[in-house]
Amino acid sequence: ETGVTQSPTHLIKTRGQQVTLRCSSQSGHNTVSWYQQALGQGPQFIFQYYREEENGRGNFPPRFSGLQFPNYSSELNVNALELDDSALYLCASSLWRSGRGTEAFFGQGTRLTVV
Amino acid sequence: LAKTTQPISMDSYEGQEVNITCSHNNIATNDYITWYQQFPSQGPRFIIQGYKTKVTNEVASLFIPADRKSSTLSLPRVSLSDTAVYYCLVGDPVTGGGNKLTFGTGTQLKVEL
Repeated sequence: ETGVTQSPTHLIKTRGQQVTLRCSSQSGHNTVSWYQQALGQGPQFIFQYYREEENGRGNFPPRFSGLQFPNYSSELNVNALELDDSALYLCASSLWRSGRGTEAFFGQGTRLTVV
Repeated sequence: LAKTTQPISMDSYEGQEVNITCSHNNIATNDYITWYQQFPSQGPRFIIQGYKTKVTNEVASLFIPADRKSSTLSLPRVSLSDTAVYYCLVGDPVTGGGNKLTFGTGTQLKVEL
């Protein structure tokens, strides 16, 4: 158990719809990142939030957006879903302190299927 | 970001030592080397991190030569439960905040009886 929880665990959406995925960070962690993992591939970095602001983004279009709340929980929103958005979405939290980050702790992921 | 190269798959038997080597020729001065383990339909799990020489914890050892252009993850006496994908990552935990990770395709380790 990493202390990082994600909801829901599984989700089926229709192409064109919007989806919101949620993540509760490990207690004491102030940084959260989201990753997309397609079948048979390694996780791909989407973006990172630190103190409620985005401070890093991977090669993903603007229809992927996020939020980090004061309690350090987070949401990933995806608009205008496409079939290729079907993947395991992973949330990871870490502690950024004194100019250095600790290792990332991942949740179990949300399996999104777009039909 | 430094690119890593590791074998796509490896097979082993229970009780053996497994060594997975990762190549990272363009590693930067501030980069650390981190290994993660991932089981199907689960998030990756941190195994070990190092900068140079040798690091050991309760589950693995990490060997890094002086030129740091490669690293070897050593798993002693593997069991069936060690069957998983192992990822080698290279990055700066300061600028990256420990969380902007670049994963490759990893090494699928299969342990048999």
